[in-house]
Amino acid sequence: EDQVTQSPEALRLQEGESSSLNCSYTVSGLRGLFWYRQDPGKGPEFLFTLYSAGEEKEKERLKATLTKKESFLHITAPKPEDSATYLCAVQGRRDYKLSFGAGTTVTVRA
Amino acid sequence: GAGVSQTPSNKVTEKGKYVELRCDPISGHTALYWYRQSLGQGPEFLIYFQGTGAADDSGLPNDRFFAVRPEGSVSTLKIQRTERGDSAVYLCASSLTAGETQYFGPGTRLLVL
Repeated sequence: EDQVTQSPEALRLQEGESSSLNCSYTVSGLRGLFWYRQDPGKGPEFLFTLYSAGEEKEKERLKATLTKKESFLHITAPKPEDSATYLCAVQGRRDYKLSFGAGTTVTVRA
Repeated sequence: GAGVSQTPSNKVTEKGKYVELRCDPISGHTALYWYRQSLGQGPEFLIYFQGTGAADDSGLPNDRFFAVRPEGSVSTLKIQRTERGDSAVYLCASSLTAGETQYFGPGTRLLVL
């Protein structure tokens, strides 16, 4: 069974204070690793897909990286609008469902 | 273009009642997925459709849960004899085809009293 563990559960940052979120995973053949952002009361919003170890993707202040066992989401010089829960999910080669972690809730104070 | 839409946005029902939750996927997307999210947890997979057929229903918790997609577009998740433990946010996602990026709707918040 595919498993995803995210840490920390919560992260409080000062505006401009860079940090990283961790996503550790086990999967029987990785099809893709996905990062989503979820605001309170909303559905998950797609951010990135990573397919193979060594791959990196960037969007504004966010950068996602992937190894064979974990992924990191780096937030550089965050702003209050980056406050959200960040979800990591894996999709294995056996099926098409996403297996999610519990998320990391990021709060950025001005 | 329009994203995934779900109705109703909120549903309050009594234990033992029947409920239907509706999902309208992004136009042209052939794959549709249902997930359930409890407070403080990530979404959990329920069922996935490719076209009209349920390709994987391994996440449905028991036979009180059923979903259909008769014309390969709109899907309805049906829950019979609701229980308080069914209270959660039910999320729908769609993708261009299986294996492509899944885009989520806003969810239906179900509360069973």
